[in-house]
Amino acid sequence: TQLLEQSPQFLSIQEGENLTVYCNSSSVFSSLQWYRQEPGEGPVLLVTVVTGGEVKKLKRLTFQFGDARKDSSLHITAAQPGDTGLYLCAGAGNDYKLSFGAGTTVTVRA
Amino acid sequence: DAGVIQSPRHEVTEMGQEVTLRCKPISGHDYLFWYRQTMMRGLELLIYFNNNVPIDDSGMPEDRFSAKMPNASFSTLKIQPSEPRDSAVYFCASSLGGGGITDTQYFGPGTRLTVL
Repeated sequence: TQLLEQSPQFLSIQEGENLTVYCNSSSVFSSLQWYRQEPGEGPVLLVTVVTGGEVKKLKRLTFQFGDARKDSSLHITAAQPGDTGLYLCAGAGNDYKLSFGAGTTVTVRA
Repeated sequence: DAGVIQSPRHEVTEMGQEVTLRCKPISGHDYLFWYRQTMMRGLELLIYFNNNVPIDDSGMPEDRFSAKMPNASFSTLKIQPSEPRDSAVYFCASSLGGGGITDTQYFGPGTRLTVL
């Protein structure tokens, strides 16, 4: 099992502030995905990164895959209450199985 | 499309009882996954199927757990007998393909299981 560590575990910020969530592992991944999960629902895929050093932007969200493909970060600019949720990173090895991090609970206060 | 459908949404049962969770994947998706989510262990893959055939069940915790996929539109996860430590949210997910590392898994809303 490839372990993914996410930090911080909890994050509470004021609307308009920026935040960064980190996902780290000692293993190399073929790809890494970020999901957001809201209470009572299943995770929803936000982005997949494949190439080391890759940066993807999704409106106010910026995702980066480390050069060695062992770590990733999610940065949210000018956070809004709608960004509140549990953010999960998941890595895929050479097989099709995803290993999930424990998640970061983000709360954006209005 | 209606997305992945799971039933029931909530299940409360007593220790020792049999529990059956149901999943209908998105039509046309060849892969189906069962996950379990708890506060202690996070989201864990239990088993996945390709074209109705179980491919990897190494995540199934014990022999008390079994999963079937009799056809492309239906899968079950059964726990017999259930124990309090099985209390968790169980998710079903499906994807169009499995060979590509960028394939998207679509998750259902989950079944919250409580074993008393």
